Amino acid sequence: DAKTTQPNSMESNEEEPVHLPCNHSTISGTDYIHWYRQLPSQGPEYVIHGLTSNVNNRMASLAIAEDRKSSTLILHRATLRDAAVYYCILRRTGTYKYIFGTGTRLKVLA
Amino acid sequence: AAGVIQSPRHLIKEKRETATLKCYPIPRHDTVYWYQQGPGQDPQFLISFYEKMQSDKGSIPDRFSAQQFSDYHSELNMSSLELGDSALYFCASSEVLVAGTDEQYFGPGTRLTVT
Repeated sequence: DAKTTQPNSMESNEEEPVHLPCNHSTISGTDYIHWYRQLPSQGPEYVIHGLTSNVNNRMASLAIAEDRKSSTLILHRATLRDAAVYYCILRRTGTYKYIFGTGTRLKVLA
Repeated sequence: AAGVIQSPRHLIKEKRETATLKCYPIPRHDTVYWYQQGPGQDPQFLISFYEKMQSDKGSIPDRFSAQQFSDYHSELNMSSLELGDSALYFCASSEVLVAGTDEQYFGPGTRLTVT
């Protein structure tokens, strides 16, 4: 399985944009990039996923590099409720498993 | 909206005992995933089922087994429990159109404590 690398932690001020990076240099052509987050004492929550093109939804945006070796999750206006561990996961088409890495712990400052 | 239901929410067992965790997926979801999350650790994928058949296996110990039933609920059976099995066990479900693109919905978890 291809691996992902994320910073251990990041901080952001409330109401400012946050860019969470993820490196996946060994990604294959059939790997989707998924992002999940885990709030304290809760199960992980789906955020967004993509293959090649940038993606937007109500929660966030996903920017994927042209060579697909890295991606960035963008929270447009961080709130205190966005404080969580964010996981970048590669998911191969046709498979039914997620391998969670170490994730980025996001702290949002009021 | 209906969510993933896990039962029990808390379970205390002694070493060498057995435990059964249950997961009820969101209606119409055909895929179930099980994860183990130890204290301060990241979720570890254990096993998944698609349409009642085992689809992928992760780091699931041989002492553990699981299945998905005809009504799509799933059970994780754990035998010869060890102290190291103490963890949060999450179940997630999804509706798979193309495997690899589905969004998982996680349940609240079952906290297993082995004493």
